[in-house]
Amino acid sequence: NAGVTQTPKFQVLKTGQSMTLQCAQDMNHEYMSWYRQDPGMGLRLIHYSVGAGITDQGEVPNGYNVSRSTTEDFPLRLLSAAPSQTSVYFCASSTTENTEAFFGQGTRLTVV
Amino acid sequence: KQEVTQIPAALSVPEGENLVLNCSFTDSAIYNLQWFRQDPGKGLTSLLLIQSSQREQTSGRLNASLDKSSGRSTLYIAASQPGDSATYLCAVRYSNYQLIWGAGTKLIIKP
Repeated sequence: NAGVTQTPKFQVLKTGQSMTLQCAQDMNHEYMSWYRQDPGMGLRLIHYSVGAGITDQGEVPNGYNVSRSTTEDFPLRLLSAAPSQTSVYFCASSTTENTEAFFGQGTRLTVV
Repeated sequence: KQEVTQIPAALSVPEGENLVLNCSFTDSAIYNLQWFRQDPGKGLTSLLLIQSSQREQTSGRLNASLDKSSGRSTLYIAASQPGDSATYLCAVRYSNYQLIWGAGTKLIIKP
């Protein structure tokens, strides 16, 4: 039962570097999303997708890009990393917007 | 603005006690509400999902209730155990696809 798989689990970047956080789900879920979690705050939505080829911005999209070429994969790209992007990133999926959301184990990103 | 608040931010109780965690939300036009558990350095584990048309859901020692009119949900944990120690998060789903999250309640169960 793989569920939602995120890679890598940990990453350290230098300011200005770019990278892609990977997210894959094997439950044939249409809806996928990326959140960031910062200390003392609730999770905040970065980008989401309601199906292959369809993406939209969430609450905090600046500095991040996404694409959804397949139902299974929803990568998150950091274009030019900044220290403010130091956070824990979670990917989630669900059948629709009205069903249970399943989360990956998270990626802890540090930008120095 | 849609906001979710969880009080208290932290709670420490002796093993065996029954306890209640609270979640309040400002906009009652919800799709559903979900309770999660997060262990240190780990991901999020879904505990219970309550649809907007439901009043409560139960799973084992956990019971979650929903009162949309007052904008409140509670998570009841019966006969608490040290293994229940974790941060409990409440998330509310609205029609714009977003999950709006509370900051969580950190629960410590003392043996």
